[in-house]
Amino acid sequence: GDSVTQMEGPVTLSEEAFLTINCTYTATGYPSLFWYVQYPGEGLQLLLKATKADDKGSNKGFEATYRKETTSFHLEKGSVQVSDSAVYFCALSDRTGNQFYFGTGTSLTVIP
Amino acid sequence: ETGVTQSPTHLIKTRGQQVTLRCSSQSGHNTVSWYQQALGQGPQFIFQYYREEENGRGNFPPRFSGLQFPNYSSELNVNALELDDSALYLCASSGGGGGFSYNEQFFGPGTRLTVL
Repeated sequence: GDSVTQMEGPVTLSEEAFLTINCTYTATGYPSLFWYVQYPGEGLQLLLKATKADDKGSNKGFEATYRKETTSFHLEKGSVQVSDSAVYFCALSDRTGNQFYFGTGTSLTVIP
Repeated sequence: ETGVTQSPTHLIKTRGQQVTLRCSSQSGHNTVSWYQQALGQGPQFIFQYYREEENGRGNFPPRFSGLQFPNYSSELNVNALELDDSALYLCASSGGGGGFSYNEQFFGPGTRLTVL
């Protein structure tokens, strides 16, 4: 079945460092891909998404490109801030649009 | 605009009991989805309701059932509770009709269920 695999955490970075969180997927057909974020004490919220191959989702300085050839949707940010400390979840919606799968989450801590 | 709300916040049950969790969707949203999140794991999709009908279901046994009401609020019912059902249960609402691909989900804070 469809699934998402994301890099294990936790990840600790210094402020202004470059961030990459790897995400790969297994799916039949053409899924939609998402990154969700959970800040401390808050609920899950959508960070960005891409609905077809080669689309780039972006928000709050974060970017991810839907790569069908490598079945990947890696999350990147050029310069992280302390306020980016959170748990990040990669997710996919299958080709029917009626199933949703999350990865296990990657905890990011940014230190000043 | 009121966001997604869930009740109760916390719940303790014993094995074999039944539980009902409730979710009020965000204003204007007609679709509700439920997820189970075990400690340290990502949420797992249980099912989605659109216009009071189940619109998709994850790999959960039939003892997990749901309802959606005309005002789009929803209930998750779990029968014959097992220890492994202990988790955070999340509700998410979205607008624009059923399906996940194009409709952003807005999540509630969750209900923490402990089964003893």
